[in-house]
Amino acid sequence: QKEVEQDPGPLSVPEGAIVSLNCTYSNSAFQYFMWYRQYSRKGPELLMYTYSSGNKEDGRFTAQVDKSSKYISLFIRDSQPSDSATYLCAMSDFGNFNKFYFGSGTKLNVKP
Amino acid sequence: DAGVTQSPTHLIKTRGQQVTLRCSPKSGHDTVSWYQQALGQGPQFIFQYYEEEERQRGNFPDRFSGHQFPNYSSELNVNALLLGDSALYLCASSLSLGVSGYTFGSGTRLTVV
Repeated sequence: QKEVEQDPGPLSVPEGAIVSLNCTYSNSAFQYFMWYRQYSRKGPELLMYTYSSGNKEDGRFTAQVDKSSKYISLFIRDSQPSDSATYLCAMSDFGNFNKFYFGSGTKLNVKP
Repeated sequence: DAGVTQSPTHLIKTRGQQVTLRCSPKSGHDTVSWYQQALGQGPQFIFQYYEEEERQRGNFPDRFSGHQFPNYSSELNVNALLLGDSALYLCASSLSLGVSGYTFGSGTRLTVV
């Protein structure tokens, strides 16, 4: 079993839709949770970073962490064609906060 | 302020050859991590360098080695290349005591033929 599982998609939505992206994990020691966006032929770009459980909002993006269920989510409101990319979740534990475990990525396509 | 710079951007090598990839971290960052990203997969941790020492290592064979220089730049070396080593190699820099995530470079696309 992989440490981090992520639905690869692809996910296709119309412009303006609310998008929900999710990851599950098996290691209860994970404390730091991140979402990265990766455009084709580019490196991942950090979108959101969350410590432990709870919600965090940044503009159109909301990250949620439910440690009891080992489940994290990223919500994108009012999705735009420019949001079309692959979204990667990543996480690490307290003792190794600079070593990240990534999901396989969900490819999102927002249609105009 | 320059971000993470990687070179070369693309590389084609033959099985059995050796390759060296280079990375300059973001200004102010002292830790460099290397990841391998196969097509359609998430990045996999290779190793991390801090203070010119390998601090952590993922599940990669000894054919993968690295180095960090006093100016924090880093190299990734892969010996005896296999077809399965074809991937995007990502360098990420961070602060050793920071927990806000990495800054990634755009990667080096390595193709082994």
